Amino acid sequence: GENVEQHPSTLSVQEGDSAVIKCTYSDSASNYFPWYKQELGKRPQLIIDIRSNVGEKKDQRIAVTLNKTAKHFSLHITETQPEDSAVYFCAASISGNQFYFGTGTSLTVIP
Amino acid sequence: GAVVSQHPSRVICKSGTSVKIECRSLDFQATTMFWYRQFPKKSLMLMATSNEGSKATYEQGVEKDKFLINHASLTLSTLTVTSAHPEDSSFYICSRSRGNEQFFGPGTRLTVL
Repeated sequence: GENVEQHPSTLSVQEGDSAVIKCTYSDSASNYFPWYKQELGKRPQLIIDIRSNVGEKKDQRIAVTLNKTAKHFSLHITETQPEDSAVYFCAASISGNQFYFGTGTSLTVIP
Repeated sequence: GAVVSQHPSRVICKSGTSVKIECRSLDFQATTMFWYRQFPKKSLMLMATSNEGSKATYEQGVEKDKFLINHASLTLSTLTVTSAHPEDSSFYICSRSRGNEQFFGPGTRLTVL
């Protein structure tokens, strides 16, 4: 099955700086790559996603890049704010059938 | 608003008892729903895919007889943790997908004493 790895496991940045989280996947058939933000004890919330026919997608301060050849994708958060502090998960899926999650990154934005 | 609900949100039970968790798709008939398990500060681990009207598909390493899944209607899937033990304590989350996007339930915190 699919194996998704995520780095780093923890990340601390100063408010206003950028944060980058990277994921790799193993199954070349995966074609949908969402990113989720999860606050303690709550459900994951989709923040951005990218499909395999696109190399980059941006939504305000959040961007995601995908390198299909290398099987890796990254989340970029610019101008970080304290409310960005949470655990972030990447995931890989084949057309929405079974989602396999990365191990998570605990992001702390220091005011 | 939420499109997937779960009940209960929190349950504490004695070791050896069975616990049933319900997952409802509120706005869409879902032939397929998913069950995940999440340990504290860990990732979501896909346990099984719940298929309406047929047997669930379990991920490798997940005990079918331990985690019984029933998907009797297009809006309801249930996960029963049978003969629960302390090591089954975890956060269980269900989800359903529509197209590529996935919608999560709020989760159920299970604590087995």
